[in-house]
Amino acid sequence: DVKVTQSSRYLVKRTGEKVFLECVQDMDHENMFWYRQDPGLGLRLIYFSYDVKMKEKGDIPEGYSVSREKKERFSLILESASTNQTSMYLCASRHGQGFNQPQHFGDGTRLSIL
Amino acid sequence: QKEVEQDPGPLSVPEGAIVSLNCTYSNSAFQYFMWYRQYSRKGPELLMYTYSSGNKEDGRFTAQVDKSSKYISLFIRDSQPSDSATYLCAMRPMDSSYKLIFGSGTRLLVRP
Repeated sequence: DVKVTQSSRYLVKRTGEKVFLECVQDMDHENMFWYRQDPGLGLRLIYFSYDVKMKEKGDIPEGYSVSREKKERFSLILESASTNQTSMYLCASRHGQGFNQPQHFGDGTRLSIL
Repeated sequence: QKEVEQDPGPLSVPEGAIVSLNCTYSNSAFQYFMWYRQYSRKGPELLMYTYSSGNKEDGRFTAQVDKSSKYISLFIRDSQPSDSATYLCAMRPMDSSYKLIFGSGTRLLVRP
């Protein structure tokens, strides 16, 4: 089974801090994704990476950056955390070939910015 | 207007009932349709995916796509308390192998 592991289940940070969210997958997947999930808004794509050191902006990249130095690891960075970034963050990975390849999700990091 | 609309629920049914979960969409370029199940405090897991119009069955679950009406459904037969979760529809346009557009999810509660 695919395993996508997010480093923290719950995180509390202060406004203005630089925050790192880490995600690791064990299936040698080419594609990795970061979403945020908010009530009534569903999952919204922040960034995705289709290969090592490659990244593309999603629908809501403002205030975020990402890093993918190794194939198995994809990091989301909040450059200067703000209260409106309080949310559930979900990481996903996917095999690169084929339109019908599903995304496999981690269990999420619930981030609170005070 | 959102590209994908989904009733948030909650939908409460007795055990054994047939459940119908639905999504409507506005973009006719969507070609791949998926249903994810998300238990509380867990990430979404893929239940079913379909391509284009028609039905697809997997055990107690049937996914149905009506492209002419821009409407997709997930039916659950003989619902069980273990089916209690949030169900998310997701769609991919033909011109993107990466982008998934999610509905906001319907919360389902199956009462014993």
